[in-house]
Amino acid sequence: ETGVTQTPRHLVMGMTNKKSLKCEQHLGHNAMYWYKQSAKKPLELMFVYSLEERVENNSVPSRFSPECPNSSHLFLHLHTLQPEDSALYLCASSQSPGQAGSNQPQHFGDGTRLSIL
Amino acid sequence: SQQGEEDPQALSIQEGENATMNCSYKTSINNLQWYRQNSGRGLVHLILIRSNEREKHSGRLRVTLDTSKKSSSLLITASRAADTASYFCATDAKETSGSRLTFGEGTQLTVNP
Repeated sequence: ETGVTQTPRHLVMGMTNKKSLKCEQHLGHNAMYWYKQSAKKPLELMFVYSLEERVENNSVPSRFSPECPNSSHLFLHLHTLQPEDSALYLCASSQSPGQAGSNQPQHFGDGTRLSIL
Repeated sequence: SQQGEEDPQALSIQEGENATMNCSYKTSINNLQWYRQNSGRGLVHLILIRSNEREKHSGRLRVTLDTSKKSSSLLITASRAADTASYFCATDAKETSGSRLTFGEGTQLTVNP
């Protein structure tokens, strides 16, 4: 039980499909994150939401569109993806940095393994 | 290059031995965090060490931080097969505003029974 749940766990889609990844956290956190994890590469931060506002968009292509309707839910909408987008997509949550600006530990879901045909 | 680089990339030891992994980084930090990732799962936070701390313990884990050398080490004592996983360090850089950690590429630890 991680407290952060991602669905689906696996997704295979064609390049012309539209799909959405879902993340839900039950930890009372107010910041949520999307990461991309590819083989033999560091974890890449994609988006950060703090208090339901997008505070970081890390030069991610527009074919990825995040949505954060409330502090417990985060979505990643996908459309016209490319083969190089195949990866493990991880969602995480944490408390927003305190007044000192120090980042708190993040709690991760088990990810969605995405394969683009 | 990357903030937070782990060394070695891979480590294979026998059960009962100690495992040491190192992390180097480039900028001033607020804190440094270590995470574990089992195959097919998400990352799990292990320990956080603040920039004004030099050593921290949690069970069989010991983390050190040397801000003058911009390096940290994670020691797992009396390793078990269940410790087999990838281990990542993540830095909270002072110069970076907002909510972000920068992760390294990780060390793949294999503990043989």
